[in-house]
Amino acid sequence: GAVVSQHPSWVICKSGTSVKIECRSLDFQATTMFWYRQFPKQSLMLMATSNEGSKATYEQGVEKDKFLINHASLTLSTLTVTSAHPEDSSFYICSARDQALYGYTFGSGTRLTVV
Amino acid sequence: SQKIEQNSEALNIQEGKTATLTCNYTNYSPAYLQWYRQDPGRGPVFLLLIRENEKEKRKERLKVTFDTTLKQSLFHITASQPADSATYLCALDNTGGFKTIFGAGTRLFVKA
Repeated sequence: GAVVSQHPSWVICKSGTSVKIECRSLDFQATTMFWYRQFPKQSLMLMATSNEGSKATYEQGVEKDKFLINHASLTLSTLTVTSAHPEDSSFYICSARDQALYGYTFGSGTRLTVV
Repeated sequence: SQKIEQNSEALNIQEGKTATLTCNYTNYSPAYLQWYRQDPGRGPVFLLLIRENEKEKRKERLKVTFDTTLKQSLFHITASQPADSATYLCALDNTGGFKTIFGAGTRLFVKA
């Protein structure tokens, strides 16, 4: 089955620093990947759609200069949280869809804590 | 605005019983409805997809119904086991995969 690998699984950083999260499709190619943020006991909130070889599409209210997305290959998308602040602390999850399968495959998520 | 409602209260059932979770939606006409399982600190795992022209879908102990008139889906787990304890999310999609909306999920606890 389709596998999406996400790293790191958790990260603690100081306020004002930047953090990069990687999302890789291991056994399929993904021209499109999705980045979500999830707060405790809340639904997944789509932040942006990452498009291979072109600019990401951001959802309303998501700052594109703060959450930089790069999708340089068919198997890798990265999300960089720039100048992180404590309010950016959350669970970030990526997903992609193998066109041969139903549903989305999610990464295991990244717990970001900004101190 | 589009809205998905899942029971925010946890569902507690005894092992062996059937768990039934509800997903209601408004202001939406989804072509697909999906159910996912999410364990604490992990990403969701896809379980089942049902199309708007399908009434019911089964997979092993899982059964999903989709009533587009009531704008509701029911998710059943028969012969539930403690290992079924998790949060279950429903998700709606009417754009072929580019704008899926997720519910907040219902937490299920199955007691031995």
